[in-house]
Parts: sequence; C-alpha cells; structure tokens
Amino acid sequence: DTAVSQTPKYLVTQMGNDKSIKCEQNLGHDTMYWYKQDSKKFLKIMFSYNNKELIINETVPNRFSPKSPDKAHLNLHINSLELGDSAVYFCASSQPGANVLTFGAGSRLTVL
Amino acid sequence: GENVEQHPSTLSVQEGDSAVIKCTYSDSASNYFPWYKQELGKGPQLIIDIRSNVGEKKDQRIAVTLNKTAKHFSLHITETQPEDSAVYFCAARPSGNEKLTFGTGTRLTIIP
Repeated sequence: DTAVSQTPKYLVTQMGNDKSIKCEQNLGHDTMYWYKQDSKKFLKIMFSYNNKELIINETVPNRFSPKSPDKAHLNLHINSLELGDSAVYFCASSQPGANVLTFGAGSRLTVL
Repeated sequence: GENVEQHPSTLSVQEGDSAVIKCTYSDSASNYFPWYKQELGKGPQLIIDIRSNVGEKKDQRIAVTLNKTAKHFSLHITETQPEDSAVYFCAARPSGNEKLTFGTGTRLTIIP
C-alpha cells in the first residue's frame, strides 16, 4: 500500500494552461504539505495544512491554490502556468509533533 | 527564518570508504535535525534524525553529530556501498514550528 500517493506522476502542458495535482495519504496523519523541487534539487515548502486548515503559506504566487477537502487529501491547483513553474512537486504528510515527513514519489510538471 | 547551508554539493567516494556531509543552520531556536535520502525518481526518505539535547546518534553505518554552539551538524556514512548513491538533504526545524527548512542537497556517488 502506497502511504502518500500523487497523481499524475508526469504532466506536460502549455504556458497559460491551468492544471491540478492530487495527493492522498492513508497514514492517518493530520498534517499535509506541498514542496517544490527545482532543477537544482532545492526543496522549498509551499503550503502546509493541518486537519484541513492552512497553517503554512510561503511566498507563493496567487496562481497556486491548495485545497484540502479532508485531512487525507491535499490537492494543488495552478492557474496560468508559467515556464518557471516547471519543477517536481512533492506532497508529504506528518503527525503534528511527530517530526517525520513521509513524501510521495513526486509529480514532474513541465511547462512548454 | 531558518537558513540551512549544506556542503559539498557533490561527493564521490570509493566503495568501502567513508562519506561526510556537513550542514550549518542559522536559527538558534532549531532543535530538530533530520537527514533525508532521495533516490532517483523517488521522494526524499528519512534516514536518521537528531534532537538538540543529543550530540551524536548512530544507526548501523550511519551517524549524525550535532554541535549546537557552532550550529553545525554532519552526516557520516561508513563502509559505503553502491546503494548509498543518492541525493542527501539535511534539514532543521525550530521548536514549536511545523516548518522544516531543507539544505541544498548533496549528490553522493559511490564508485565501485
């Protein structure tokens, strides 16, 4: 059983399009995250939700909108895609205070 | 906010030799320091972590040391094997904060 699953694994799209990446965790964790990993492998946090409530919102353009329908799901919607949005996006989850992050396998977004 | 620097960015080691990766952090309130390993095409995975009340922790061939005064912590891998080849990330988190700040990553290559 996959603990944190993301779909799609690969996404190729044109500039200006809108796309979504979905994430689900079956670990029973309360906290979920989105991280962005650029071509140089830098890992930067974008958002964090605890039990469906936004708790971390880094300096991310408004074009990025996370949505957490329940504590097991955290989706990422991106409007008006730009070339600089090309990256691997990782979803992760943890229990508050438990420290350990469990990451998904990543979703590689390529904007042409 | 926290800033984590990691060196070296790339490291090649003969199989069987030791590898050392070093990180420094800026926020003296940080008290949790994990290390993650990212294999090709996968998400980062926790391999070892240390809290600020401990100076050293060991798990088989992997050890982490922490110098709180100097704000340094290091990952030591002994008797390296080909499967140790991966990108390694250090991270730091301040007390009471859910935000984990990652270092810039080290690509470790084990030469057979």
